[in-house]
Amino acid sequence: QKEVEQNSGPLSVPEGAIASLNCTYSDRGSQSFFWYRQYSGKSPELIMSIYSNGDKEDGRFTAQLNKASQYVSLLIRDSQPSDSATYLCAVNWLGFKTIFGAGTRLFVKA
Amino acid sequence: EADIYQTPRYLVIGTGKKITLECSQTMGHDKMYWYQQDPGMELHLIHYSYGVNSTEKGDLSSESTVSRIRTEHFPLTLESARPSHTSQYLCASSEQGPSWADTQYFGPGTRLTVL
Repeated sequence: QKEVEQNSGPLSVPEGAIASLNCTYSDRGSQSFFWYRQYSGKSPELIMSIYSNGDKEDGRFTAQLNKASQYVSLLIRDSQPSDSATYLCAVNWLGFKTIFGAGTRLFVKA
Repeated sequence: EADIYQTPRYLVIGTGKKITLECSQTMGHDKMYWYQQDPGMELHLIHYSYGVNSTEKGDLSSESTVSRIRTEHFPLTLESARPSHTSQYLCASSEQGPSWADTQYFGPGTRLTVL
């Protein structure tokens, strides 16, 4: 059974700080990794995807992937209250089914 | 912005009724999914399809059924609704192809309440 694990939180950070969200996965054959954001009562939306080891930056967001450690993270710089949401880590294996983690709730305090 | 639609957005219905939740996408995606999500809880995959005439059950046992007669349409049916079916139902789609193409685009969801 392929698994994706996230700390459920809540993770609370002050406005302007860096929020660090972590995710581990069980299948070494996993190839693609995604971070989705889900506001309360809304649908998930893609923030970033990453496929190679290392860092990928997009604005205030940085995704980090370490396949040897089976670990993927999302850093949010200069956190804003509007970043308060649940962040879902998702892992895809060979183009077949994508597995979602349970999500980490983030609160950014003004 | 993703072009994936779900109707109805909200549905309140009595026990024993048959219901169909509609999902349509205009992106030409081959893969489509149905998820069930209770408030504040994780997504549970209940059905998926890799293309026309292809349907599979997901990880969460569900009394619902799906069909995929057209690429753009993936309806979910409950033959006899029960209060335990009360939940948010999310439809999603993604492109066929390598794993990097599996970005899923979600519809706005249907919030179902069974009395």
